[in-house]
Amino acid sequence: GAVVSQHPSRVICKSGTSVKIECRSLDFQATTMFWYRQFPKQSLMLMATSNEGSKATYEQGVEKDKFLINHASLTLSTLTVTSAHPEDSSFYICSASPGGHTRIDTQYFGPGTRLTVL
Amino acid sequence: AQSVTQPDIHITVSEGASLELRCNYSYGATPYLFWYVQSPGQGLQLLLKYFSGDTLVQGIKGFEAEFKRSQSSFNLRKPSVHWSDAAEYFCAVVSSGTYKYIFGTGTRLKVLA
Repeated sequence: GAVVSQHPSRVICKSGTSVKIECRSLDFQATTMFWYRQFPKQSLMLMATSNEGSKATYEQGVEKDKFLINHASLTLSTLTVTSAHPEDSSFYICSASPGGHTRIDTQYFGPGTRLTVL
Repeated sequence: AQSVTQPDIHITVSEGASLELRCNYSYGATPYLFWYVQSPGQGLQLLLKYFSGDTLVQGIKGFEAEFKRSQSSFNLRKPSVHWSDAAEYFCAVVSSGTYKYIFGTGTRLKVLA
């Protein structure tokens, strides 16, 4: 149980284009999903917290107009990197929490999406 | 502010040897602690977690961790390492009030045959 999927696993795009990454909780409902970014050989950096039916909460320094997050259902959150540039190339990982943001709970992580912007 | 420190960036052990990965946290109240493992190019898999109760926590793949409040530590151990354990290991603590995870910088484990 507690499986989280991400699609696509890898994406290569041209500079200036937009890329959408999907995060799904397959066997549980997740009122809260989290989006992380991981640079090579570094730890995970939280980008934003996504709550179903409401606006995402972005961490300091993360451009909300560049990284659009939509959490339209209890099992799906999407991250859209708009007007991508080479510096946006990274490994993006989502996680989902059955407990939401109102109590401490285990986060279950997706397999990640490798974004390369040419 | 809460923080997590993993002092060892790299650790190399021989297959069959014992393993201990260190994790120290800075937290005012009772912490909620996690260990995750990440294989190359993959997401994170939960190994074990501590919320309360018995301070020795058993996890998957033969791993265990011990919460020591006096030392602010939550070290991960395994009595006999397998080659498939080679990966990156992350310790995390939940941030009070926000329920966000704070990750350590990770420890990369290399296993020698």
